[in-house]
Amino acid sequence: DQQVKQNSPSLSVQEGRISILNCDYTNSMFDYFLWYKKYPAEGPTFLISISSIKDKNEDGRFTVFLNKSAKHLSLHIVPSQPGDSAVYFCAASAVGGTYKYIFGTGTRLKVLA
Amino acid sequence: DTEVTQTPKHLVMGMTNKKSLKCEQHMGHRAMYWYKQKAKKPPELMFVYSYEKLSINESVPSRFSPECPNSSLLNLHLHALQPEDSALYLCASSQDQTSGYEQYFGPGTRLTVT
Repeated sequence: DQQVKQNSPSLSVQEGRISILNCDYTNSMFDYFLWYKKYPAEGPTFLISISSIKDKNEDGRFTVFLNKSAKHLSLHIVPSQPGDSAVYFCAASAVGGTYKYIFGTGTRLKVLA
Repeated sequence: DTEVTQTPKHLVMGMTNKKSLKCEQHMGHRAMYWYKQKAKKPPELMFVYSYEKLSINESVPSRFSPECPNSSLLNLHLHALQPEDSALYLCASSQDQTSGYEQYFGPGTRLTVT
């Protein structure tokens, strides 16, 4: 049972345009969400997080939006740059108790110059 | 400094070998993690250490044996592995094991079992 899903395995965007990566989850107990970027042969790099008490968090070119009623979050990258080409994972953890992140299956973003 | 280091970067071992993976962080984090990642799949949690004690074992086979000698170091001892254990092994750390703290990953060890 995949509790965190990224339904688009890949996405291509022109340089300078907006990239929108989506993530859906099924567990209503999830209260903290992370986005990671991963280049080949490297570990994931933390990008941005959002708590369930917020619906938006912004850090430079990266903005994460959370829609709790739809159990959906999205990562917006504006403007997209060729160096953003990587695999993006969303991850979610549940309130209280043991701390464990469940990762989505990833979306490969390709930014075209 | 948000660096987690892992050694070796690559490891090839036979099914009868014993080897160890090492992970180190100097961020004062009290939680450390081992993940396994196969190609085109998300990272899968294997073990969690919190304050140097094993907190979570995700039903990992005993041929994988974790060790946390101190708050900065995490080892993964490997013995009698199978070819299907070939994967990228990632170490991560976070300030605490409770929710709300991001995990910082190392670059991983690419393990090949022959």
